[in-house]
Amino acid sequence: DAEITQSPRHKITETGRQVTLACHQTWNHNNMFWYRQDLGHGLRLIHYSYGVQDTNKGEVSDGYSVSRSNTEDLPLTLESAASSQTSVYFCASSDRASGRTHNEQFFGPGTRLTVL
Amino acid sequence: TQLLEQSPQFLSIQEGENLTVYCNSSSVFSSLQWYRQEPGEGPVLLVTVVTGGEVKKLKRLTFQFGDARKDSSLHITAAQTGDTGLYLCAGTSYENAGGTSYGKLTFGQGTILTVHP
Repeated sequence: DAEITQSPRHKITETGRQVTLACHQTWNHNNMFWYRQDLGHGLRLIHYSYGVQDTNKGEVSDGYSVSRSNTEDLPLTLESAASSQTSVYFCASSDRASGRTHNEQFFGPGTRLTVL
Repeated sequence: TQLLEQSPQFLSIQEGENLTVYCNSSSVFSSLQWYRQEPGEGPVLLVTVVTGGEVKKLKRLTFQFGDARKDSSLHITAAQTGDTGLYLCAGTSYENAGGTSYGKLTFGQGTILTVHP
């Protein structure tokens, strides 16, 4: 069965360190998204990609970067981790919009990141 | 920037009661989705509503899209303990590039529902 996986599931790091969170999907979806989830804020979009070599900034992109070298993977990098980036991070993917689809997104299980 | 206001943020009820969660915006969305999330897991899609005034039913859950496509509601009849979880609404907007439409979601803050036995 197709799926979307994230690793690691839990990560503790120190302020200033570079951290990369992995996201891998086997849906063969063109679109991939990274969100962070904090209580009272729902899911906020960090970066997104509509295809290989395409990346775009979301509403909370400062301090984060992504790269898309293939269809399956969209790793999220925190260049210099800060305590404000302690959060739960979700990766999602969706098929290209068509008459049958409406950007329904499939989510990974999340990565809980703690920055000390 | 499109915003979705979801209410209430917390809801604690007894098994068997009915409840309604609201999702409101000043912006028009192409479609609106409802997701349910359990602790330690990612959100899972429940339903997509597309047409203004549309009503969809999923067993005891009824979803409605406002006529102007700016608001939506989720009504649960006779809640069960298994309904406990975080409910999220999300509106779809599209960007066009090179003749292709690309969609992204704007999420509400979520409603944490607790159903007590």
